[in-house]
Amino acid sequence: DVKVTQSSRYLVKRTGEKVFLECVQDMDHENMFWYRQDPGLGLRLIYFSYDVKMKEKGDIPEGYSVSREKKERFSLILESASTNQTSMYLCASSPPTNEKLFFGSGTQLSVL
Amino acid sequence: KNEVEQSPQNLTAQEGEFITINCSYSVGISALHWLQQHPGGGIVSLFMLSSGKKKHGRLIATINIQEKHSSLHITASHPRDSAVYICAVSGSARQLTFGSGTQLTVLP
Repeated sequence: DVKVTQSSRYLVKRTGEKVFLECVQDMDHENMFWYRQDPGLGLRLIYFSYDVKMKEKGDIPEGYSVSREKKERFSLILESASTNQTSMYLCASSPPTNEKLFFGSGTQLSVL
Repeated sequence: KNEVEQSPQNLTAQEGEFITINCSYSVGISALHWLQQHPGGGIVSLFMLSSGKKKHGRLIATINIQEKHSSLHITASHPRDSAVYICAVSGSARQLTFGSGTQLTVLP
């Protein structure tokens, strides 16, 4: 069964900490995405990547960076976590034509 | 940037009822997706449409490109259909724009 795996389901961090969220897909997909989901705001795109070592800013990249050193892995980095980054983070992947998106189960991050 | 509007925001139905969720968008698209999110966060892709109609089990999705409108129908609804249903559109770029979702509750 195809899978997108996020490293943590729940994460609690302190303000100012560096946070790594990992996402791995086993479908050899070119496209990978990081979203955050907040009540009333829906899914918002943080960063995406079309290929290894490529990255593009989404709608809300401020305070975040990403890394894609291998095709199957796309990491989201919060350089210095802040309380307004408390959210549900969802990773997704898709083939180049975007005909279907596959989501991870999400990481609920709380920044205290 | 495309604007995606879903209606209703919340919907409560009795088991067995026919359900319709609507999605409108503002700019021409290459495809429209319907997604389902159950409590706990996991999101599943239900359909991708670029024209016409698709059916999978009790779910039917339609799209009218000229009117920039799509509908998701659920026939013979069941409590396990309770979830958030999300519409998303893709244009010339590969990223999607999402609606804010419709919370569906089906009562036994």
